[in-house]
Amino acid sequence: GENVEQHPSTLSVQEGDSAVIKCTYSDSASNYFPWYKQELGKGPQLIIDIRSNVGEKKDQRIAVTLNKTAKHFSLHITETQPEDSAVYFCAASIRGGSQGNLIFGKGTKLSVKP
Amino acid sequence: DGGITQSPKYLFRKEGQNVTLSCEQNLNHDAMYWYRQDPGQGLRLIYYSQIVNDFQKGDIAEGYSVSREKKESFPLTVTSAQKNPTAFYLCASSQGYRNYGYTFGSGTRLTVV
Repeated sequence: GENVEQHPSTLSVQEGDSAVIKCTYSDSASNYFPWYKQELGKGPQLIIDIRSNVGEKKDQRIAVTLNKTAKHFSLHITETQPEDSAVYFCAASIRGGSQGNLIFGKGTKLSVKP
Repeated sequence: DGGITQSPKYLFRKEGQNVTLSCEQNLNHDAMYWYRQDPGQGLRLIYYSQIVNDFQKGDIAEGYSVSREKKESFPLTVTSAQKNPTAFYLCASSQGYRNYGYTFGSGTRLTVV
């Protein structure tokens, strides 16, 4: 089946530093790539997404870049704050089957130290 | 406000019992999904439904059952055949089934006692 690989699995940064999380995908037909933030004991929340006709998208301190040729996309968080500490999941759209309509990476636990 | 509601937040089950987790959405979304999340793990798909009265098995469907009789509701039953049901269960919905993001509920934590 299709898969999404996400790295690193854990990331620790100092407050104010930048954090980068990278994902690669296998389905060349994927054309929608959302990112989710999950705080402890809660459901994942969509924080930003990008479609394949765009190379980069920004929303305040968060940005996502997409390289369709290399089949990878990345989440960039600048000026990190303690409230950014959470688990982040990337995802890529797929064509259905036993994996549904989005396939998720295994997550990155981000810790921002004050 | 539109959203997706899971209930209960915490659920305790005795071994050998079936339990049903509720998931309701008022977003008018066509597709709905159930995921299982174990501590420190990612999301594993149990079942999903792209339209009323239809659903498909995910990667870990064994020991679970679902129904989709109404667009807004997608209940999950954890049967006694599921040998290790203790986990965090997440329901999600999406506007369509291609190239749409998911909206997740707040989850149900199921514990076998």
